[in-house]
Amino acid sequence: DQQVKQNSPSLSVQEGRISILNCDYTNSMFDYFLWYKKYPAEGPTFLISISSIKDKNEDGRFTVFLNKSAKHLSLHIVPSQPGDSAVYFCAASLASGGSYIPTFGRGTSLIVHP
Amino acid sequence: SQTIHQWPATLVQPVGSPLSLECTVEGTSNPNLYWYRQAAGRGLQLLFYSVGIGQISSEVPQNLSASRPQDRQFILSSKKLLLSDSGFYLCAWTTEGTGTYEQYFGPGTRLTVT
Repeated sequence: DQQVKQNSPSLSVQEGRISILNCDYTNSMFDYFLWYKKYPAEGPTFLISISSIKDKNEDGRFTVFLNKSAKHLSLHIVPSQPGDSAVYFCAASLASGGSYIPTFGRGTSLIVHP
Repeated sequence: SQTIHQWPATLVQPVGSPLSLECTVEGTSNPNLYWYRQAAGRGLQLLFYSVGIGQISSEVPQNLSASRPQDRQFILSSKKLLLSDSGFYLCAWTTEGTGTYEQYFGPGTRLTVT
Protein backbone atom coordinates (compact mmCIF):
# COMPACT_ATOMS: atom_id res chain seq x y z
CA ASP A 1 0.00 0.00 0.00
CA GLN A 2 1.58 3.24 -1.16
CA GLN A 3 1.43 5.93 1.48
CA VAL A 4 2.91 8.54 -0.85
CA LYS A 5 1.62 8.66 -4.40
CA GLN A 6 2.79 10.54 -7.45
CA ASN A 7 0.10 9.65 -9.93
CA SER A 8 1.73 11.26 -12.95
CA PRO A 9 4.73 9.23 -14.08
CA SER A 10 5.75 11.94 -16.52
CA LEU A 11 5.18 15.61 -17.34
CA SER A 12 6.22 17.60 -20.40
CA VAL A 13 6.48 21.40 -20.22
CA GLN A 14 7.70 24.18 -22.51
CA GLU A 15 10.70 26.20 -21.38
CA GLY A 16 9.60 29.35 -19.54
CA ARG A 17 6.24 27.94 -18.51
CA ILE A 18 5.22 26.64 -15.11
CA SER A 19 5.79 23.01 -14.10
CA ILE A 20 3.43 21.62 -11.47
CA LEU A 21 4.26 18.27 -9.91
CA ASN A 22 1.70 16.71 -7.63
CA CYS A 23 1.90 14.36 -4.68
CA ASP A 24 -0.78 12.78 -2.48
CA TYR A 25 -0.34 11.00 0.82
CA THR A 26 -2.60 8.81 2.90
CA ASN A 27 -1.09 9.01 6.40
CA SER A 28 -2.45 12.10 8.14
CA MET A 29 0.33 11.79 10.74
CA PHE A 30 3.01 12.82 8.24
CA ASP A 31 4.27 16.25 9.28
CA TYR A 32 7.30 16.93 7.13
CA PHE A 33 7.48 16.78 3.36
CA LEU A 34 10.39 16.95 0.97
CA TRP A 35 11.06 17.08 -2.75
CA TYR A 36 14.13 15.56 -4.32
CA LYS A 37 15.46 15.86 -7.83
CA LYS A 38 17.27 13.01 -9.54
CA TYR A 39 19.27 12.92 -12.75
CA PRO A 40 19.92 9.55 -14.45
CA ALA A 41 22.70 7.48 -12.87
CA GLU A 42 23.03 9.91 -9.96
CA GLY A 43 21.73 10.00 -6.42
CA PRO A 44 18.76 12.25 -5.59
CA THR A 45 19.50 15.73 -4.34
CA PHE A 46 17.36 17.60 -1.86
CA LEU A 47 15.36 20.41 -3.42
CA ILE A 48 12.91 21.91 -0.95
CA SER A 49 10.89 20.92 2.11
CA ILE A 50 7.88 22.04 4.09
CA SER A 51 6.67 21.45 7.60
CA SER A 52 3.01 20.75 8.27
CA ILE A 53 2.73 24.00 10.22
CA LYS A 54 3.12 25.87 6.93
CA ASP A 55 1.15 25.79 3.71
CA LYS A 56 3.80 27.28 1.45
CA ASN A 57 7.56 27.40 1.19
CA GLU A 58 9.48 29.19 -1.51
CA ASP A 59 13.07 28.98 -2.67
CA GLY A 60 13.90 30.86 -5.83
CA ARG A 61 12.05 29.30 -8.75
CA PHE A 62 10.73 26.47 -6.58
CA THR A 63 7.63 26.67 -4.40
CA VAL A 64 6.02 23.85 -2.48
CA PHE A 65 2.37 24.07 -1.46
CA LEU A 66 0.80 21.88 1.22
CA ASN A 67 -2.92 21.23 1.58
CA LYS A 68 -3.26 19.18 4.76
CA SER A 69 -7.00 18.72 4.55
CA ALA A 70 -6.64 17.21 1.09
CA LYS A 71 -3.40 15.41 2.00
CA HIS A 72 -1.87 16.90 -1.09
CA LEU A 73 1.28 18.78 -1.90
CA SER A 74 2.62 20.21 -5.10
CA LEU A 75 5.89 21.56 -6.40
CA HIS A 76 5.80 24.56 -8.72
CA ILE A 77 8.76 25.46 -10.87
CA VAL A 78 8.57 28.90 -12.46
CA PRO A 79 9.97 29.51 -15.00
CA SER A 80 10.89 26.00 -16.10
CA GLN A 81 14.31 25.51 -17.66
CA PRO A 82 15.71 22.61 -19.71
CA GLY A 83 18.12 21.86 -16.85
CA ASP A 84 15.12 21.10 -14.67
CA SER A 85 14.51 17.95 -16.71
CA ALA A 86 14.86 15.15 -14.16
CA VAL A 87 12.85 12.76 -12.02
CA TYR A 88 11.24 14.43 -9.01
CA PHE A 89 10.49 12.44 -5.89
CA CYS A 90 8.06 13.49 -3.22
CA ALA A 91 8.73 12.22 0.31
CA ALA A 92 6.94 12.41 3.65
CA SER A 93 8.07 11.70 7.19
CA LEU A 94 6.90 11.64 10.82
CA ALA A 95 9.46 14.11 12.07
CA SER A 96 7.68 14.78 15.34
CA GLY A 97 7.79 11.07 16.06
CA GLY A 98 11.57 11.16 15.88
CA SER A 99 11.71 9.32 12.60
CA TYR A 100 13.95 10.81 9.98
CA ILE A 101 13.04 8.08 7.55
CA PRO A 102 10.92 9.40 4.72
CA THR A 103 8.48 7.45 2.63
CA PHE A 104 9.07 8.16 -1.04
CA GLY A 105 6.71 8.31 -3.96
CA ARG A 106 7.60 6.62 -7.25
CA GLY A 107 8.66 9.83 -8.91
CA THR A 108 7.54 12.01 -11.80
CA SER A 109 9.78 12.45 -14.82
CA LEU A 110 9.78 16.10 -15.90
CA ILE A 111 10.87 17.02 -19.40
CA VAL A 112 11.30 20.71 -20.18
CA HIS A 113 11.44 21.39 -23.92
CA PRO A 114 13.51 24.32 -25.22
CA SER B 1 32.00 19.91 3.91
CA GLN B 2 30.35 16.54 3.97
CA THR B 3 30.74 14.04 1.16
CA ILE B 4 29.46 10.55 0.61
CA HIS B 5 31.18 7.93 -1.49
CA GLN B 6 29.86 4.73 -2.98
CA TRP B 7 31.68 2.07 -4.95
CA PRO B 8 31.69 0.51 -7.34
CA ALA B 9 29.69 2.74 -9.67
CA THR B 10 28.54 -0.20 -11.79
CA LEU B 11 28.60 -3.91 -11.24
CA VAL B 12 27.57 -6.93 -13.29
CA GLN B 13 27.33 -10.13 -11.31
CA PRO B 14 26.01 -13.62 -12.12
CA VAL B 15 23.12 -15.14 -10.22
CA GLY B 16 24.31 -16.89 -7.09
CA SER B 17 27.46 -14.80 -6.67
CA PRO B 18 28.18 -12.74 -3.53
CA LEU B 19 27.84 -8.99 -3.27
CA SER B 20 29.57 -6.26 -1.31
CA LEU B 21 28.77 -2.59 -1.81
CA GLU B 22 30.50 0.00 0.30
CA CYS B 23 29.48 3.48 1.40
CA THR B 24 31.55 5.96 3.37
CA VAL B 25 30.73 9.43 4.64
CA GLU B 26 33.24 12.19 5.30
CA GLY B 27 32.92 15.43 7.19
CA THR B 28 30.34 14.39 9.75
CA SER B 29 30.20 12.19 12.82
CA ASN B 30 27.58 9.76 14.08
CA PRO B 31 25.39 10.01 10.99
CA ASN B 32 22.28 7.94 10.41
CA LEU B 33 22.99 5.80 7.35
CA TYR B 34 20.58 4.27 4.88
CA TRP B 35 20.57 1.83 1.97
CA TYR B 36 17.91 2.26 -0.71
CA ARG B 37 17.18 0.43 -3.92
CA GLN B 38 15.53 1.90 -6.97
CA ALA B 39 14.28 -0.82 -9.29
CA ALA B 40 13.34 0.02 -12.86
CA GLY B 41 10.20 2.17 -12.92
CA ARG B 42 9.88 2.13 -9.17
CA GLY B 43 10.47 4.59 -6.37
CA LEU B 44 13.07 4.46 -3.65
CA GLN B 45 12.71 1.40 -1.45
CA LEU B 46 14.38 1.58 1.95
CA LEU B 47 16.37 -1.59 2.62
CA PHE B 48 18.34 -0.90 5.81
CA TYR B 49 19.14 1.95 8.14
CA SER B 50 21.61 2.38 10.97
CA VAL B 51 21.74 4.88 13.83
CA GLY B 52 25.15 3.75 15.08
CA ILE B 53 28.00 1.26 14.84
CA GLY B 54 26.67 -2.29 14.80
CA GLN B 55 23.04 -1.11 14.85
CA ILE B 56 21.13 -2.23 11.77
CA SER B 57 17.40 -2.12 11.12
CA SER B 58 15.98 -4.07 8.21
CA GLU B 59 12.93 -2.77 6.42
CA VAL B 60 12.45 -5.49 3.85
CA PRO B 61 13.14 -9.21 4.43
CA GLN B 62 15.29 -10.53 1.61
CA ASN B 63 18.62 -12.10 0.85
CA LEU B 64 20.52 -8.88 1.49
CA SER B 65 22.24 -7.85 4.72
CA ALA B 66 23.95 -4.71 5.97
CA SER B 67 26.73 -3.97 8.40
CA ARG B 68 28.23 -0.87 9.97
CA PRO B 69 31.72 -1.72 11.15
CA GLN B 70 32.76 1.92 11.61
CA ASP B 71 30.93 5.15 12.37
CA ARG B 72 31.03 6.40 8.79
CA GLN B 73 31.05 3.12 6.88
CA PHE B 74 28.00 1.19 5.72
CA ILE B 75 28.21 -2.06 3.77
CA LEU B 76 25.50 -3.88 1.82
CA SER B 77 26.08 -7.58 1.23
CA SER B 78 24.58 -10.72 -0.16
CA LYS B 79 25.79 -14.29 -0.07
CA LYS B 80 23.90 -15.28 -3.23
CA LEU B 81 22.44 -12.76 -5.65
CA LEU B 82 19.07 -13.22 -7.31
CA LEU B 83 17.95 -11.75 -10.64
CA SER B 84 15.49 -9.59 -8.70
CA ASP B 85 18.40 -7.91 -6.88
CA SER B 86 19.18 -5.90 -10.00
CA GLY B 87 18.68 -2.20 -9.50
CA PHE B 88 20.23 1.09 -8.55
CA TYR B 89 21.52 1.06 -4.97
CA LEU B 90 21.81 4.29 -3.08
CA CYS B 91 23.43 5.09 0.23
CA ALA B 92 22.28 8.15 2.16
CA TRP B 93 22.96 9.90 5.45
CA THR B 94 21.34 12.33 7.84
CA THR B 95 22.29 13.82 11.18
CA GLU B 96 19.92 14.22 14.08
CA GLY B 97 19.37 17.37 16.03
CA THR B 98 19.85 19.80 13.19
CA GLY B 99 16.17 20.54 12.83
CA THR B 100 16.24 19.55 9.22
CA TYR B 101 15.35 16.17 7.87
CA GLU B 102 16.72 15.97 4.37
CA GLN B 103 18.84 13.03 3.36
CA TYR B 104 22.05 13.31 1.39
CA PHE B 105 22.54 10.62 -1.19
CA GLY B 106 25.63 9.08 -2.70
CA PRO B 107 26.15 8.68 -6.45
CA GLY B 108 24.71 5.15 -6.44
CA THR B 109 25.75 1.73 -7.72
CA ARG B 110 24.09 0.21 -10.77
CA LEU B 111 23.88 -3.55 -10.15
CA THR B 112 22.94 -5.92 -12.95
CA VAL B 113 22.49 -9.55 -12.02
CA THR B 114 22.72 -11.83 -15.07
